Amino acid sequence: AQTVTQSQPEMSVQEAETVTLSCTYDTSESDYYLFWYKQPPSRQMILVIRQEAYKQQNATENRFSVNFQKAAKSFSLKISDSQLGDAAMYFCALVQYNNNDMRFGAGTRLTVKP
Amino acid sequence: SQTIHQWPATLVQPVGSPLSLECTVEGTSNPNLYWYRQAAGRGLQLLFYSVGIGQISSEVPQNLSASRPQDRQFILSSKKLLLSDSGFYLCAWKGYTTGETQYFGPGTRLLVL
Repeated sequence: AQTVTQSQPEMSVQEAETVTLSCTYDTSESDYYLFWYKQPPSRQMILVIRQEAYKQQNATENRFSVNFQKAAKSFSLKISDSQLGDAAMYFCALVQYNNNDMRFGAGTRLTVKP
Repeated sequence: SQTIHQWPATLVQPVGSPLSLECTVEGTSNPNLYWYRQAAGRGLQLLFYSVGIGQISSEVPQNLSASRPQDRQFILSSKKLLLSDSGFYLCAWKGYTTGETQYFGPGTRLLVL
């Protein structure tokens, strides 16, 4: 079985500052993929960043980066220079290679203060 | 480029009425298609997925069913809605060019009264 845990129901950050969202997971497989999705008030799920488990290098997409600790099964998201438009629900997700069962965490609601 | 559509955007239905939600994908062939449900303030739960026309896999037993009549069309149905069917329904796809990444449609808000 695979599970995803987000232990922070809510987080807040001051505009232009940095915030880190936590995610831990559990899987018995060695080949898997991890994702962070953003869900703004419109509720459409938008891909933020993805990480292949076989890659040691942490993924980076502009202001978004991850800290992937495979042994600890931890996958945190760092948002630098936070902007008002970053305010949203953020979901961590896990899927095994060539599998259709993507598992999501319960989400973290991020508030950005001007 | 690929796009995914869902309709209707919002639906209010009485208990016991039928349901049909539609999802279509453009710009790709033979995608895997998915239906998820999101209850208020919760994460996503996978309901159904399809790897090809007429091929449906169900992840949870429920009052809903899915069908894939065409390569890029995925339909979520119910014969009689329950109050517990209320929620936000998201369709997603993945394909050869996306690896394991799933891309989501805009979703349908369903309220059963």
